[in-house]
Amino acid sequence: DVKVTQSSRYLVKRTGEKVFLECVQDMDHENMFWYRQDPGLGLRLIYFSYDVKMKEKGDIPEGYSVSREKKERFSLILESASTNQTSMYLCASSFSSPRDTQYFGPGTRLTVL
Amino acid sequence: AQTVTQSQPEMSVQEAETVTLSCTYDTSESDYYLFWYKQPPSRQMILVIRQEAYKQQNATENRFSVNFQKAAKSFSLKISDSQLGDAAMYFCASTNSGNTPLVFGKGTRLSVIA
Repeated sequence: DVKVTQSSRYLVKRTGEKVFLECVQDMDHENMFWYRQDPGLGLRLIYFSYDVKMKEKGDIPEGYSVSREKKERFSLILESASTNQTSMYLCASSFSSPRDTQYFGPGTRLTVL
Repeated sequence: AQTVTQSQPEMSVQEAETVTLSCTYDTSESDYYLFWYKQPPSRQMILVIRQEAYKQQNATENRFSVNFQKAAKSFSLKISDSQLGDAAMYFCASTNSGNTPLVFGKGTRLSVIA
C-alpha cells in the first residue's frame, strides 16, 4: 500500500513564524502536490513537483515556498505565517502523471494565532 | 483553463437508498480524465472512480458508478445501496492528457441517515 505521511496532524504557530510542513511518500512516486483545503473552497493547489529539485506554482503560491531535495520528501514552507494561512494542508503523490491516482496524506491542520 | 463545478454543497440519503452527486466541467481539450475522490471524516482522501474521456462506457466500481455525458460535460456519481460508511466529502476532479495538475470542485458533503 502506498503511504503518504505528514509530519504533524495539528500545528499551532504565531504570526510571523517560519513554518515547515513535511510530506513523505514511500512508493517512489515522481509527482508530489501540496493543497490547501478550506470550507466552501474545496482543494486549491499551492505547489507541485514532477521530479526532484523541480517545482511548479499552483493556483495559490503566494506566501508559500517548497523544497524537494529527495524524491520521497516534499516540504511546504510558510516564510512568515499569517492568520489567513490558517487552514488544512494536504499533501499528495502520484506515480508519474497527473492522470494517475493521487494518494493523499492525513492532512495538517495549521492554526496561526 | 479547466473548471469543475459541484452545485450541491450538501446531500443526504437514507441507508440502502441510491443517491447521485452532480459534477459539471469545462475544458477545451478532447482528451481528458475525470475522477471522484472521497474524504471520510478525519480520514485520508481516496480515489473512488476514474473515467477516461475517450471511453464511452461508464466506469463502475462495485456500488459506485458514473454517468458520463460528454456532450453535456457532465460527470455524476451514483452510489447504490448507500451505507453509513459512505458519509464523506466527495470531490469531483479533472485533468487533461498533458501534465496539467488536477482541478478539483468544491466538494459535496454526503450524509447517510440510518
